[in-house]
Parts: sequence; C-alpha cells; structure tokens
Amino acid sequence: EAQVTQNPRYLITVTGKKLTVTCSQNMNHEYMSWYRQDPGLGLRQIYYSMNVEVTDKGDVPEGYKVSRKEKRNFPLILESPSPNQTSLYFCASSTYRNNQPQHFGDGTRLSIL
Amino acid sequence: AQSVTQLDSHVSVSEGTPVLLRCNYSSSYSPSLFWYVQHPNKGLQLLLKYTSAATLVKGINGFEAEFKKSETSFHLTKPSAHMSDAAEYFCVVKGGNLIFGKGTKLSVKP
Repeated sequence: EAQVTQNPRYLITVTGKKLTVTCSQNMNHEYMSWYRQDPGLGLRQIYYSMNVEVTDKGDVPEGYKVSRKEKRNFPLILESPSPNQTSLYFCASSTYRNNQPQHFGDGTRLSIL
Repeated sequence: AQSVTQLDSHVSVSEGTPVLLRCNYSSSYSPSLFWYVQHPNKGLQLLLKYTSAATLVKGINGFEAEFKKSETSFHLTKPSAHMSDAAEYFCVVKGGNLIFGKGTKLSVKP
C-alpha cells in the first residue's frame, strides 16, 4: 500500500529538548516536504527536498532542520523546541512533475511546554 | 505570485442539500489546482485536481469543481451532502510548491 508514515503521531515535550519527527514514503518519490498546520492559517511549508541531498527552505523554516540522506526518508529536527512550535505537522511526498498531487502522512501533533 | 483565497471559513448544510465551497485563485500563468479534504485526526486526502485538460473536474465521493478562468475561481460542489462529508476542505494552487488556502470547515446537520 502506498503511504507516507510519520512517527511519532503525538508528542508532549519540554522547551529545549531536541526532538526528531521521522517521515518515510514507499512510493519512490523524489519530492518530499514538511508542513505545519495552525488554526486559521492553513498549512505552511517548513522545508522541502527535491531529491537526495537537496533541501530548501519553505515559508516558515526558522527553528527547524531537515536532512535527506536517503530517498525514502525525510526527518524533521527541532534542535531546541520552543512553545511557538506547538502545532500539527504533516509530511508529504510526490513525484517532481508538474500537476502531481502530494501524498500526506496522518500528521504528528507536537506540544512543547 | 500565486495565491488562493477560500471565501468561507465555515459552511453548514443539511444532509441531502447541495454543498458549495468557494475558492478564488491568483496566478500569473495557467495554474494547477487541487482540492484536499481533511477528516479529524487524519492527513489530507486528494479530492480532485485541475490540470487544464477539462474545466469541469470530477473527484471522489461525488465532488466536482469547475475551473473558471474569467472569474479566477475553482469552486467545489456536491449535489447532496452526506454526514460523512463533514470535514475541513483545502483549495490548493501549485506552482513549484503547493500553496494552501486557509481551509473551509464543512458541517452537515442531520
């Protein structure tokens, strides 16, 4: 089954404690991205990657890091989380051709206390 | 620059009545447009996409959308709402990356 898998689905942690949210896709997609979803703001892109070892900033990259060492994986790293990063996060992937929709994971709800 | 505006943050309909979710877009060239649905505690699922082949696009679960260039609109419709349609809907335009509208929450009353 084609899917994008995120882990963990839920996490409550404290300010400053480094955390990683993993994302894996089994569709051999070149393009992967991370979004955060906040009430009234829709989804905003954090980072994206067009292929292995190629990453770039989205609209709201501050406080986040990513890496793309393998095609299937695209982890999101919060080196020093802060309360304003409390949000619902989505990973997505697609082929990098125009008009192609993205496939989304089920989301990770992060609470930073 | 590309953008989308969803004109209603919340729409409420009765079961069995038509659904209309409105979306206007801005694009300097022929856009690719999508509608996604998000059910509670789930990721986003593609409903339909417009890629310039036909202006009336049919999607899953009885939804369809019409691309109107003269009005820069891409409204989502369904003839008869079901309770299971209650969810949040996002209009999206794609240039390089996806640009999301702020979402419309659809409520369906019995």
